Amino acid sequence: GNSVTQMEGPVTLSEEAFLTINCTYTATGYPSLFWYVQYPGEGLQLLLKATKADDKGSNKGFEATYRKETTSFHLEKGSVQVSDSAVYFCALPYSGAGSYQLTFGKGTKLSVIP
Amino acid sequence: DAGITQSPRHKVTETGTPVTLRCHQTENHRYMYWYRQDPGHGLRLIHYSYGVKDTDKGEVSDGYSVSRSKTEDFLLTLESATSSQTSVYFCAISGDRGSYNEQFFGPGTRLTVL
Repeated sequence: GNSVTQMEGPVTLSEEAFLTINCTYTATGYPSLFWYVQYPGEGLQLLLKATKADDKGSNKGFEATYRKETTSFHLEKGSVQVSDSAVYFCALPYSGAGSYQLTFGKGTKLSVIP
Repeated sequence: DAGITQSPRHKVTETGTPVTLRCHQTENHRYMYWYRQDPGHGLRLIHYSYGVKDTDKGEVSDGYSVSRSKTEDFLLTLESATSSQTSVYFCAISGDRGSYNEQFFGPGTRLTVL
């Protein structure tokens, strides 16, 4: 099945710093790609998605571009805030474009300090 | 936010005791999933359902069973709880809004098996 590898944390940044969380994938075909965010004590929330190659997903100042050449979907934000402190998960369908199961990376914990 | 509730939110039980966790949705979504979240492992799929009375195993299904007698409810049962099943359990749903890959998560149930 498909798989995803994301950089391990934890990542600690000062407020207003630039954020990159790396995610690479192995997949059959060109499935949709997702970033989820989990705030402390909560369930996961969809942060952004991209459904085809070269698509850029964006939300809340975060961006990620679906790059088939490098099989990557790195998450970026130009200026992080304390409120961005959370765990971030990269995900894609478990197998094939028609599969509805998701496989998740192990998560990257981000802490932003004032 | 998607209408997903989980009950109980916290539970402490003893080894060998049966435990049932409930996931309830008000979105009429077709697919429902149970995950467990453990440090160092990210999210792992236990079981999922693709319709009433239609279920299948995920990556870590041993020791767990599920049932779905109506669209809105998906039950996870630990027949005889073990300490290795201490975890945070998340329910998720997908389908009928956005893409079928796009999953919406409940708030989680923290289970401790002593």
